[in-house]
Amino acid sequence: GNSVTQMEGPVTLSEEAFLTINCTYTATGYPSLFWYVQYPGEGLQLLLKATKADDKGSNKGFEATYRKETTSFHLEKGSVQVSDSAVYFCALNPNRDDKIIFGKGTRLHILP
Amino acid sequence: EPEVTQTPSHQVTQMGQEVILRCVPISNHLYFYWYRQILGQKVEFLVSFYNNEISEKSEIFDDQFSVERPDGSNFTLKIRSTKLEDSAMYFCASRALRGGEETQYFGPGTRLLVL
Repeated sequence: GNSVTQMEGPVTLSEEAFLTINCTYTATGYPSLFWYVQYPGEGLQLLLKATKADDKGSNKGFEATYRKETTSFHLEKGSVQVSDSAVYFCALNPNRDDKIIFGKGTRLHILP
Repeated sequence: EPEVTQTPSHQVTQMGQEVILRCVPISNHLYFYWYRQILGQKVEFLVSFYNNEISEKSEIFDDQFSVERPDGSNFTLKIRSTKLEDSAMYFCASRALRGGEETQYFGPGTRLLVL
């Protein structure tokens, strides 16, 4: 079946540190991959996406590359800010007609 | 930029009562979804809706749940007789069909508390 596994949180970093949140997936076919972010008290916002192998999604300094050979879509940012504190969800869409399948989320705390 | 809106933002209800959660999807979108997130847990799919009928539903979406698109803009989720375990954040999402765009855009959510 289709599933997403992401690293357990919480992750606590100091401001300007390098961030990696690991995400691996299991899917039939060629899914689209997403990172969504949920800031405290808010809903889900699309952070970035990639629709095929070797695509790199990027937004607000965050990047993730669709790696088919390792079935991974790790989220990275070179220098995090306090305002990046949120819960990050890795997700996949097996095909255009299907529901989105989410990972459990990783809570990120950035200390000033 | 167009966005999905949801009302109310918070709702408190007594167990056994009916609730209706409302969503206004992005205007040119054709696929609609409901998801829920129990506190501290992952976001789970409930139901998808296209062309005025349910496309797919999860095992969570039992007979107590129903969805409707009563007019050209609203998309509603009704819980007929709420249970304590229905307490969660409910997210509506919508997706366009044209041009291969499959990204689902989420609303801000309705936090439902069943007492």
